[in-house]
Amino acid sequence: DSGVTQTPKHLITATGQRVTLRCSPRSGDLSVYWYQQSLDQGLQFLIQYYNGEERAKGNILERFSAQQFPDLHSELNLSSLELGDSALYFCASSVEGEAEQYFGPGTRLTVT
Amino acid sequence: AQKITQTQPGMFVQEKEAVTLDCTYDTSDQSYGLFWYKQPSSGEMIFLIYQGSYDEQNATEGRYSLNFQKARKSANLVISASQLGDSAMYFCAMRDLEGGSYIPTFGRGTSLIVHP
Repeated sequence: DSGVTQTPKHLITATGQRVTLRCSPRSGDLSVYWYQQSLDQGLQFLIQYYNGEERAKGNILERFSAQQFPDLHSELNLSSLELGDSALYFCASSVEGEAEQYFGPGTRLTVT
Repeated sequence: AQKITQTQPGMFVQEKEAVTLDCTYDTSDQSYGLFWYKQPSSGEMIFLIYQGSYDEQNATEGRYSLNFQKARKSANLVISASQLGDSAMYFCAMRDLEGGSYIPTFGRGTSLIVHP
């Protein structure tokens, strides 16, 4: 158990809908990272937050947004969902300056 | 831009044998970190091992060791005494330690199957 929690574990929704994925980092970790893993694209970095502030942006679509709250949990919002958004979405956390990121169990999103 | 290459899409090994998973990287940075993650069929990503670019000794963690050859820009993972539970996808990744954001780039992964 990495100490990073993600909810829900599975999500099935229809095209055009909006969903929110939630992540709680390990105790003491200030950085949260979001990734999308799909068969064709591999593991893609989406966005990073550090202590509530956006730190870095990767291949995140405009339909996607994220935030980190004062209690350090983070939410990833996906809107106007398309079939191609079906993927495994990971949250990871790390202590700033540390080498490794610890990943949550992921949320498997299926868009039908 | 950073790039990670894992040329072996699939590897097979006999239980109790050692196996090497290849990883090459490309970066112009002097300070960076290399690491490996394991992803079993259950889906979670498990951190295995880390090597800093200035570390002179190869990193080891139990049965895992990282064969770091800086001049060749390779960071191969060696798993000794393979176990059935080692069957999984393995991802190599690199982080730039100079930019401050520590965003990693991941390779496409190698699928390892351990035979009894």
